[in-house]
Amino acid sequence: DAGITQSPRYKITETGRQVTLMCHQTWSHSYMFWYRQDLGHGLRLIYYSAAADITDKGEVPDGYVVSRSKTENFPLTLESATRSQTSVYFCASSQYNEQFFGPGTRLTVL
Amino acid sequence: QKEVEQDPGPLSVPEGAIVSLNCTYSNSAFQYFMWYRQYSRKGPELLMYTYSSGNKEDGRFTAQVDKSSKYISLFIRDSQPSDSATYLCAMSAGNAGNNRKLIWGLGTSLAVNP
Repeated sequence: DAGITQSPRYKITETGRQVTLMCHQTWSHSYMFWYRQDLGHGLRLIYYSAAADITDKGEVPDGYVVSRSKTENFPLTLESATRSQTSVYFCASSQYNEQFFGPGTRLTVL
Repeated sequence: QKEVEQDPGPLSVPEGAIVSLNCTYSNSAFQYFMWYRQYSRKGPELLMYTYSSGNKEDGRFTAQVDKSSKYISLFIRDSQPSDSATYLCAMSAGNAGNNRKLIWGLGTSLAVNP
């Protein structure tokens, strides 16, 4: 399907486990972004990537790792999940200034 | 002080009303302005995109940017229950590197009552 997809859509994990959230886009957009959305905080940028093999930190990068070996994929890894990482995670892509979002992954860390 | 301020509401209006949503910002370098709509448990979707100052109209939606006042607005005419959602403003200073990052308002929750 064309567009931007995220998997899994829902994930429950335990404190200390490693979790990887997947993001795939079919537009060949150069830029990709990872956000978390929490009540009272809005959308906060975790990491972004300007192209394959180029990534940079956003506002809240601690505890997260990203990679981008292919233009279309931008996985986000929580190396050792904590309860404070319970959130809704959105991936987005852009070619110019507008960003286009995926459907989100709802992550619960117990 | 946040770079972008947006009243979270909630805002409740009757069907058919004109809705005005607003954001103020502090960074005079912002040039690109966007409004997103987010339905419950969905991702944000781009609604309006404006470069620099001026107005842009798309159907029942009008976006206004006043750079001199650092103020942007979204107007919804003849509001419908299907417009019930959270509306987020976002803006950026440029289209390369660090300037590509969007700075977001917290969103305004809108309910349109039949």
